[in-house]
Amino acid sequence: EAGVAQSPRYKIIEKRQSVAFWCNPISGHATLYWYQQILGQGPKLLIQFQNNGVVDDSQLPKDRFSAERLKGVDSTLKIQPAKLEDSAVYLCASSNLELAKNIQYFGAGTRLSVL
Amino acid sequence: AQKVTQAQTEISVVEKEDVTLDCVYETRDTTYYLFWYKQPPSGELVFLIRRNSFDEQNEISGRYSWNFQKSTSSFNFTITASQVVDSAVYFCALMYGGATNKLIFGTGTLLAVQP
Repeated sequence: EAGVAQSPRYKIIEKRQSVAFWCNPISGHATLYWYQQILGQGPKLLIQFQNNGVVDDSQLPKDRFSAERLKGVDSTLKIQPAKLEDSAVYLCASSNLELAKNIQYFGAGTRLSVL
Repeated sequence: AQKVTQAQTEISVVEKEDVTLDCVYETRDTTYYLFWYKQPPSGELVFLIRRNSFDEQNEISGRYSWNFQKSTSSFNFTITASQVVDSAVYFCALMYGGATNKLIFGTGTLLAVQP
C-alpha cells in the first residue's frame, strides 16, 4: 500500500513570495491533516479535513495560509505572502478512522526555507 | 490544558545499551490516546504504537517496550540493545477531543546511537 505522498521535498523562496505544497493521502483515507514542524519542535496542526470539508482550522494563519481539498482526495496548502518565520517542514498526514483506529500516517514532508 | 512533555532533549548511547525515553502528559479527558512516532533523518514520521487510556497493559514489540502508568501520567519507551538504526528523533503524542481527534506532540527526544 502506498504511503502519503508529498511534493516538493524542498523549496527555497524569498520572503513575500508565494508557495504551494501538494499532498496525496493513503487511498481510502477520508481524513487529511497539514502540520507545521519548526526546527527543534514537534509538529503542530494547521488544518484538518474530513473528505472535502474543514473540521478544524483554528491554528491556520488565515491571513496568509490557505488549504483546499476539492475532491476529497488530494490537498494543496498555500502560503501567500511568505514570511521568514514560515521556514519549517510542512507535513501531511491521513487517517481512516474506521479501520486504522485514528492512527495518523505521515508523509516525508516539504522543507521550506524562506530567505 | 492538554500537554506533552519530553524532558530529554538529546540522549547519546553506545550500541547494545538499553535506553528509556520519557514522556509525561497532561489532559482532563477521561478518554484519550497516547502515541509514539519515530522521525529518522529522512523526515517521515513513522508510527510505532498507540495506547488508549483504558489499557494500562505494558507492551513489548521486539526490542521495543512501552510502560504506561496513569498514576504518574507517563508513557515511557524503552529500546533494548540499541542499534545504530535506532538513531532518530522520537515523539510522544497525545490524542484527545473525542471525534475531532486532536493530536498534540511533545518536543521530541533526539537519540544518537554510537557504534
